[in-house]
Amino acid sequence: GAVVSQHPSWVICKSGTSVKIECRSLDFQATTMFWYRQFPKQSLMLMATSNEGSKATYEQGVEKDKFLINHASLTLSTLTVTSAHPEDSSFYICSARAGEHTEAFFGQGTRLTVV
Amino acid sequence: GNSVTQMEGPVTLSEEAFLTINCTYTATGYPSLFWYVQYPGEGLQLLLKATKADDKGSNKGFEATYRKETTSFHLEKGSVQVSDSAVYFCALSRVNRDDKIIFGKGTRLHILP
Repeated sequence: GAVVSQHPSWVICKSGTSVKIECRSLDFQATTMFWYRQFPKQSLMLMATSNEGSKATYEQGVEKDKFLINHASLTLSTLTVTSAHPEDSSFYICSARAGEHTEAFFGQGTRLTVV
Repeated sequence: GNSVTQMEGPVTLSEEAFLTINCTYTATGYPSLFWYVQYPGEGLQLLLKATKADDKGSNKGFEATYRKETTSFHLEKGSVQVSDSAVYFCALSRVNRDDKIIFGKGTRLHILP
């Protein structure tokens, strides 16, 4: 199947700093990318949907100024957690989908710990 | 709106037991249906899918049939292995470019040797 690479796989940062997470589709062009957040032993919560070249669409309750999403090319989307706080600690997962398919391919996830 | 409901876990079985994880959905139109698996500390992997009514998705001994009349997509496996221990997510998606993938809450499966 198609490959989606997410980097880094884990990161520890200090409170108040910003962290950038990258999501790349390695062998296909991803017109749509999704960012999810997963709390321990819970399901994936969709944070936002991004389409290449346009602004991301955020789900209700997700702060767009805190979770900055950029989808500048058909193979790369980034999620930046700005001014991170301990409550932002979580497992963040991206997925990517080519325009003509419904199947989405997932990255391996990034575990963010804010101390 | 669109939603997915799956049985709550954890589910604990002995090796070689028969597995069923129930999943029902609510959707407008004709969604595609998926089962994803998440092994500890990893992202999601697509396990199987079905795109229209009566389709059967299958992979690694797992099967699920798209039942439109009962709006269900139950996951089954005839003989589970310890390595099948993971969290299983039922999901749906529509064909439109911007449509979201809606996940169930996940079912944690423990297989005992």
